[in-house]
Amino acid sequence: EDQVTQSPEALRLQEGESSSLNCSYTVSGLRGLFWYRQDPGKGPEFLFTLYSAGEEKEKERLKATLTKKESFLHITAPKPEDSATYLCAVQDDDYGQNFVFGPGTRLSVLP
Amino acid sequence: DAGITQSPRHKVTETGTPVTLRCHQTENHRYMYWYRQDPGHGLRLIHYSYGVKDTDKGEVSDGYSVSRSKTEDFLLTLESATSSQTSVYFCAISERGSALMSDTQYFGPGTRLTVL
Repeated sequence: EDQVTQSPEALRLQEGESSSLNCSYTVSGLRGLFWYRQDPGKGPEFLFTLYSAGEEKEKERLKATLTKKESFLHITAPKPEDSATYLCAVQDDDYGQNFVFGPGTRLSVLP
Repeated sequence: DAGITQSPRHKVTETGTPVTLRCHQTENHRYMYWYRQDPGHGLRLIHYSYGVKDTDKGEVSDGYSVSRSKTEDFLLTLESATSSQTSVYFCAISERGSALMSDTQYFGPGTRLTVL
């Protein structure tokens, strides 16, 4: 059974204090790993798709990396507007359109 | 933003009543999905569609039905709502990339449903 866990559950950072969020996954075959940002009362907003171990993608202060068992979302010099819940999801090669989401990491960046 | 709208955005209903939620897209994407989001569970797939009149079950499909009569519309129906179906419901769309690549999903704004 596919599983996705995320840690920490919640993270508080001071503005400018860099850190990383973890997404650990178990799938029989990885078709894709996704990162989303979700603000309160809104739908998830797509950030990145990673396909294979060693792949990295960047967007502004965010950088996502992927290994065979986990993915990291690195946040460099965060700003208060980066405060949100960050969701990780995987798509299994064997199960078509079944996407499995993790519970998310709630990030707060204090000014 | 991907052109996805959901209606209604908020709904309060009573146990035993039927409820229909609508998802409308303007992107002409082939795939459409319904998820529910609950504290401690993350997003869970209810049903999805891979074309007009083509649908399949997800992880938590019991008590829900769906229909897709047009590419742009995907309806989720709770035939007889129960309190356990109180949740936030999200619609998503995707367009299959190449066979070697995955299907990035784009989400709508959500519908908050309360069943009393």
